[in-house]
Amino acid sequence: DIQMTQSPSSVSASVGDRVTITCRASQGISSWLAWYQQKPGKAPKLLIYAASSLQSGVPSRFSGSGSGTDFTLTISSLQPEDFATYYCQQANSFPLTFGQGTKVEIK
Amino acid sequence: QVQLQESGPGLVKPSQTLSLTCTVSGGSISSGGYYWSWIRQHPGKGLEWIGYIYYSGSTYYNPSLKSRVTISVDTSKNQFSLKLSSVTAADTAVYYCARGLLYCSGGSCYVPAFDYWGQGTLVTVSS
Repeated sequence: DIQMTQSPSSVSASVGDRVTITCRASQGISSWLAWYQQKPGKAPKLLIYAASSLQSGVPSRFSGSGSGTDFTLTISSLQPEDFATYYCQQANSFPLTFGQGTKVEIK
Repeated sequence: QVQLQESGPGLVKPSQTLSLTCTVSGGSISSGGYYWSWIRQHPGKGLEWIGYIYYSGSTYYNPSLKSRVTISVDTSKNQFSLKLSSVTAADTAVYYCARGLLYCSGGSCYVPAFDYWGQGTLVTVSS
């Protein structure tokens, strides 16, 4: 199985901060990576697919980059509604696997 | 707007079979172009992909669960279902159904992401 490792596990930030989350795959996955946002008690919400494609309706302050084994999700200016847990997911090979999550908390 | 809704028992006894159904509205499963998936999340933990199915019945399962999982589709009802046999407390989780985008190019196909999700249903395995 491809292991997805996110860092950091949690980050404390203030409104307006730039936040970067990293996801590393245990082997190359080309650009088959998605990012999700999950709030407590809610289902995950797709933010980014194919490493850098912004899902329709998602604010442009979210962006993704990377290919191969190293990927990043960047929130350019953190908003109050962005405090949540973020997951990466590889779609290159079976079984599909997710990172362990990064919790973005209020500083 | 596509909507997915899980339904099924919230409590299952150990060794029994967990059965859930996902009802899709706002779009037809049989129109193609998507894989219909089950994903679970253990309490306070990360996400685990269980498997998915195409409207034709083609399935892919997580090998860690494959011996116990069956995913089926009923296009006449616009539903797909999950059965997980021989459950234990380790199967206690929130179970989500989700729609997976299908992308094919050069003879290879991928499901790059899940764009619509149900709200999730907590299934507890306990006697």
